Amino acid sequence: TQLLEQSPQFLSIQEGENLTVYCNSSSVFSSLQWYRQEPGEGPVLLVTVVTGGEVKKLKRLTFQFGDARKDSSLHITAAQPGDTGLYLCAGGFGNEKLTFGTGTRLTIIP
Amino acid sequence: NAGVMQNPRHLVRRRGQEARLRCSPMKGHSHVYWYRQLPEEGLKFMVYLQKENIIDESGMPKERFSAEFPKEGPSILRIQQVVRGDSAAYFCASSPLGSDAPYGYTFGSGTRLTVV
Repeated sequence: TQLLEQSPQFLSIQEGENLTVYCNSSSVFSSLQWYRQEPGEGPVLLVTVVTGGEVKKLKRLTFQFGDARKDSSLHITAAQPGDTGLYLCAGGFGNEKLTFGTGTRLTIIP
Repeated sequence: NAGVMQNPRHLVRRRGQEARLRCSPMKGHSHVYWYRQLPEEGLKFMVYLQKENIIDESGMPKERFSAEFPKEGPSILRIQQVVRGDSAAYFCASSPLGSDAPYGYTFGSGTRLTVV
């Protein structure tokens, strides 16, 4: 069974601060995705990374895939209240279904 | 271009009744996935289907749960004789090429099942 552990589980910070959340696994994935989920809605894809060591930027969000393709991080610069939500990483391997992580619930305090 | 459509958004059932959850994938998507989410938890995989085929049902409870994706019409997740522990949000997702494509999944807004 492939497990994806995310840390921290909960994070509450002031607007304008920077933060990093982590996604770790003992398994290798061929691709890793990050989603954000808001209350009452389904997750929305933010990014997909497929190459070990890959870094992708989406405005104030920076995503990195570990060299061994077992872990990933999401860094947010100058957090804003609109960044509040549940952040989920998900690993894919071949044609198997995506395995989702345990989630990080982020709250940005204005 | 409509996204993934799930209905109903909210469903209340008494213990012992049947629950039917529907999912219409995005146009052009032939891969459908069902996930269950409990409050404050991540998404737990249930079943992966393509048209008229169950590809992976390793996350589906052996009893009372079934899923289908017929040639015509939406995918259906059916829960028979519901119990309180079935109360959760059930999400459907679709993709054009399976999980290994860089496109990711497109999720519906979910069905929130409450068993009373």
